Amino acid sequence: GNSVTQMEGPVTLSEEAFLTINCTYTATGYPSLFWYVQYPGEGLQLLLKATKADDKGSNKGFEATYRKETTSFHLEKGSVQVSDSAVYFCALSDQRNTPLVFGKGTRLSVIA
Amino acid sequence: DAGVTQSPTHLIKTRGQQVTLRCSPKSGHDTVSWYQQALGQGPQFIFQYYEEEERQRGNFPDRFSGHQFPNYSSELNVNALLLGDSALYLCASSLLGQGKSGNSPLHFGNGTRLTVT
Repeated sequence: GNSVTQMEGPVTLSEEAFLTINCTYTATGYPSLFWYVQYPGEGLQLLLKATKADDKGSNKGFEATYRKETTSFHLEKGSVQVSDSAVYFCALSDQRNTPLVFGKGTRLSVIA
Repeated sequence: DAGVTQSPTHLIKTRGQQVTLRCSPKSGHDTVSWYQQALGQGPQFIFQYYEEEERQRGNFPDRFSGHQFPNYSSELNVNALLLGDSALYLCASSLLGQGKSGNSPLHFGNGTRLTVT
């Protein structure tokens, strides 16, 4: 079945450091890929998405590129801020409006 | 424009009891999905409601049931609560109708934290 594997957390970085959170997936067909972010005490917010191979999703300085050959969708940001501290979830959906399958999440803490 | 709202925010129940959680979707959305997020885990899909019917269901027992009302709001019911049902229950809404292409993005509420003792 479909699955998403994320790097284990927690990840602790200093402000302005470079961030990479790895995500790989297993799916039939050509899934759409997503990154969601969950701030403390809140629900999930869509951060970015990509719907086909080689697409790059970007938002708020975060980027992720859909790599079909490596079945990956790694999240990157060039310079993190304290306000980026949250839990990040990689997710996929293999057809229009099928349920999202989430990874376990990666907790990021950014210290000043 | 109100987003997805869930109630209550927190709830404590005893094993064997029943619980009802409520969700109002984002304005303009017609589909509601429910997810269970155990501590330290990603959300797990429970079921999805559209046009007042359960359209898709995840791997959850029949103790988990739901309902969607004509105004698109939804309820999640869990019977015979177990300790393992303790989790954050997330409601997400989207727009399924009108033949949208691609994946309609989900908008999540802040969740209901259920504790079963």
